[in-house]
Amino acid sequence: AQKITQTQPGMFVQEKEAVTLDCTYDTSDPSYGLFWYKQPSSGEMIFLIYQGSYDQQNATEGRYSLNFQKARKSANLVISASQLGDSAMYFCAMREGQGGSEKLVFGKGMKLTVNP
Amino acid sequence: DTEVTQTPKHLVMGMTNKKSLKCEQHMGHRAMYWYKQKAKKPPELMFVYSYEKLSINESVPSRFSPECPNSSLLNLHLHALQPEDSALYLCASSQGLRFQLGETQYFGPGTRLLVL
Repeated sequence: AQKITQTQPGMFVQEKEAVTLDCTYDTSDPSYGLFWYKQPSSGEMIFLIYQGSYDQQNATEGRYSLNFQKARKSANLVISASQLGDSAMYFCAMREGQGGSEKLVFGKGMKLTVNP
Repeated sequence: DTEVTQTPKHLVMGMTNKKSLKCEQHMGHRAMYWYKQKAKKPPELMFVYSYEKLSINESVPSRFSPECPNSSLLNLHLHALQPEDSALYLCASSQGLRFQLGETQYFGPGTRLLVL
């Protein structure tokens, strides 16, 4: 069963506008971590933001914020004031496993295009 | 500094060749990872090294042979690959012996491999 779901295959946004990238997850663990990574066409997977399941507040990192709704099992990434350089693939991911089998599991990703 | 370096950036090899991919981190991280990423797909975990010991092998074919000479270096030896092994190979590292809750995996720029 898919544990990380990103349903938007692609989105377009105008420069300087805000955009929300959707992510839902499925886990039975009480403690978990959620991540967003950006992957430009160059290939490097760039860490953007992390949210722990017990964090009281939504995570923020500069222009990135995470809209964490635990009951809905959603962890949407909000990018404020989009820039042309934000055009990339974006992956939502979750830490899963225990007892030496901890790993990072990725969603399918979505492509964001920022238009001038 | 959250830098993970990988060499080479690009590699073309024949099915009878032997080649190696290299990964290095100087962040004092104790866990290192190899991922394989096919075009338009998320990264898939191949191997995890926890302080120089192989801790996870995701049923990867033996034509891929990982090696961790020391806690800063990770190699992936390639032999008798198939064209379907062409992909982006990403290396990552994280701080603890195991991928602890609250830790982040930091990725290198990847090696784009083409098998002819």
